[in-house]
Amino acid sequence: ETGVTQTPRHLVMGMTNKKSLKCEQHLGHNAMYWYKQSAKKPLELMFVYNFKEQTENNSVPSRFSPECPNSSHLFLHLHTLQPEDSALYLCASSGNGATNEKLFFGSGTQLSVL
Amino acid sequence: GNSVTQMEGPVTLSEEAFLTINCTYTATGYPSLFWYVQYPGEGLQLLLKATKADDKGSNKGFEATYRKETTSFHLEKGSVQVSDSAVYFCALRSNTGNQFYFGTGTSLTVIP
Repeated sequence: ETGVTQTPRHLVMGMTNKKSLKCEQHLGHNAMYWYKQSAKKPLELMFVYNFKEQTENNSVPSRFSPECPNSSHLFLHLHTLQPEDSALYLCASSGNGATNEKLFFGSGTQLSVL
Repeated sequence: GNSVTQMEGPVTLSEEAFLTINCTYTATGYPSLFWYVQYPGEGLQLLLKATKADDKGSNKGFEATYRKETTSFHLEKGSVQVSDSAVYFCALRSNTGNQFYFGTGTSLTVIP
């Protein structure tokens, strides 16, 4: 148990559906991240939030829309996805400062787009 | 820019064999370096880290040394076990922000 919880664990959706991924951490961290994990590719950083403010958007298509209402919760809203968006979506959090620089990951949401 | 390159897998070893997974990096400034491990059905967990040149990170029999001259952070273990079967990711964190950069991951399978 890493302290970062993601729901749902698995999600199957059609290209016209709208769904949301949820991430929650109770570690007191200020930074939260969305990563995309696809086979044979580096882990792709999608979004970074620091103190609820988005500090990084790695040229992610607008069909992915993040939301960070507070430092403990992070959402990824999905709409009109493509089959190539099928992947494992990982949420992570970290503290600030030299002593808190490692990432804590959730177990991920395995997304399949039909 | 910042990037991490690690050896492609999959790697299959017999129990008690010696393991090396190569990792090299490109970074501006003085990054911290990490190895993360992902067991089946789980997220990534920190395995070990090193924050400056010549530091050696170690955990659970795994070791990696931060080599600035060769920009490398190779992962080694002297005697692998079946329970070490997982995907291993090399990563760096820039010293200018909260960005972490990961390699492609190397899948390791250890057979009895």
